[in-house]
Amino acid sequence: GENVEQHPSTLSVQEGDSAVIKCTYSDSASNYFPWYKQELGKGPQLIIDIRSNVGEKKDQRIAVTLNKTAKHFSLHITETQPEDSAVYFCAASISFQKLVFGTGTRLLVSP
Amino acid sequence: DVKVTQSSRYLVKRTGEKVFLECVQDMDHENMFWYRQDPGLGLRLIYFSYDVKMKEKGDIPEGYSVSREKKERFSLILESASTNQTSMYLCASSLGSREAFFGQGTRLTVV
Repeated sequence: GENVEQHPSTLSVQEGDSAVIKCTYSDSASNYFPWYKQELGKGPQLIIDIRSNVGEKKDQRIAVTLNKTAKHFSLHITETQPEDSAVYFCAASISFQKLVFGTGTRLLVSP
Repeated sequence: DVKVTQSSRYLVKRTGEKVFLECVQDMDHENMFWYRQDPGLGLRLIYFSYDVKMKEKGDIPEGYSVSREKKERFSLILESASTNQTSMYLCASSLGSREAFFGQGTRLTVV
């Protein structure tokens, strides 16, 4: 089955810096790659996603890139703000129904 | 807005008890999921359902069962709770190939 690895497990940046979180997946049939943000005491919430027919997608300060050949995808957050502090999860899916998640990255943005 | 509601935020149960975790969604989604979240392990899929009375095992179904008698409700059952089932449980729902929406989670402690 699919396996998703996520790095780093923790990431500390200064406000205004960029943050990059990387994930690799094992099943080349995976075709949907969402990123979720989980704030303290809440369930994960989708922040951006990308499908396998697209190499890059951007939404304001957030971007995701996908390299199908290398089977990895990354989340890029520019101009980080304290409210970006949270746990971020990547995921991969073959059928859009069954998501396989990475182990999470705790991002801390210091003022 | 889609709302996924889990019946309890916190639960404390005794070893050997039968435990029911309830989840309700209000957007007529056909897919519903139960995940377990543990530190360092990310979110792991326990069971999912793509239609009423239909269910499929996820990656860690042992010790759990599910019930989906109505489209909006998906229940997770711990037949005989054990201490290693102490965890955060997250319910999610989705419509076709669209994003999954998560509930706020139920933190279960088995003593």
